[in-house]
Amino acid sequence: GESVGLHLPTLSVQEGDNSIINCAYSNSASDYFIWYKQESGKGPQFIIDIRSNMDKRQGQRVTVLLNKTVKHLSLQIAATQPGDSAVYFCAERRVGDSSYKLIFGSGTRLLVRP
Amino acid sequence: DAGITQSPRHKVTETGTPVTLRCHQTENHRYMYWYRQDPGHGLRLIHYSYGVKDTDKGEVSDGYSVSRSKTEDFLLTLESATSSQTSVYFCAISVEGSGNQPQHFGDGTRLSIL
Repeated sequence: GESVGLHLPTLSVQEGDNSIINCAYSNSASDYFIWYKQESGKGPQFIIDIRSNMDKRQGQRVTVLLNKTVKHLSLQIAATQPGDSAVYFCAERRVGDSSYKLIFGSGTRLLVRP
Repeated sequence: DAGITQSPRHKVTETGTPVTLRCHQTENHRYMYWYRQDPGHGLRLIHYSYGVKDTDKGEVSDGYSVSRSKTEDFLLTLESATSSQTSVYFCAISVEGSGNQPQHFGDGTRLSIL
């Protein structure tokens, strides 16, 4: 069963459309950010990361955008597929944290309509 | 696949009993982490380890202890389980040698305390 959040914000998109998932992070001293995908019954899966010296990074069908001025991170998924349905988390890491600890957002559920 | 195995995958136990969860990795990474995941809270760090016998507390460490006697194993113990510790527990490792050292997760242990 689903344990990731009964009241998560949800984004519903049509299969084939592009998806944009947003995240506001909390600390201007964070220098590294990650997006994770979590499917039901599984652990978070690494999608893409970005350092604070960049404002855009592209992967396969995914792009992460970073706006440090307003402390905002977004994940864009091109040509969304049914297999993209999951909960997506952003995470941040603070400058100088030698333990590499991450601080997670509460997540967004992506539903892909066939 | 980051070579992380969590055991058991599911456990039901009674209040007041001790519980130990195991995280095993096959790649000799130095940093390991225990998180819990609850609806509305995302992932919260319980404890982490930065080497054999080297551990430190996270944000929700009360009621939990950890041990790391070997590089490959990181154990999480609930000395006297309470119903508030019903949750899904995830282990993660920080992948060295990849520059940014992103965390990769196991598939979790679902723990129910009655």
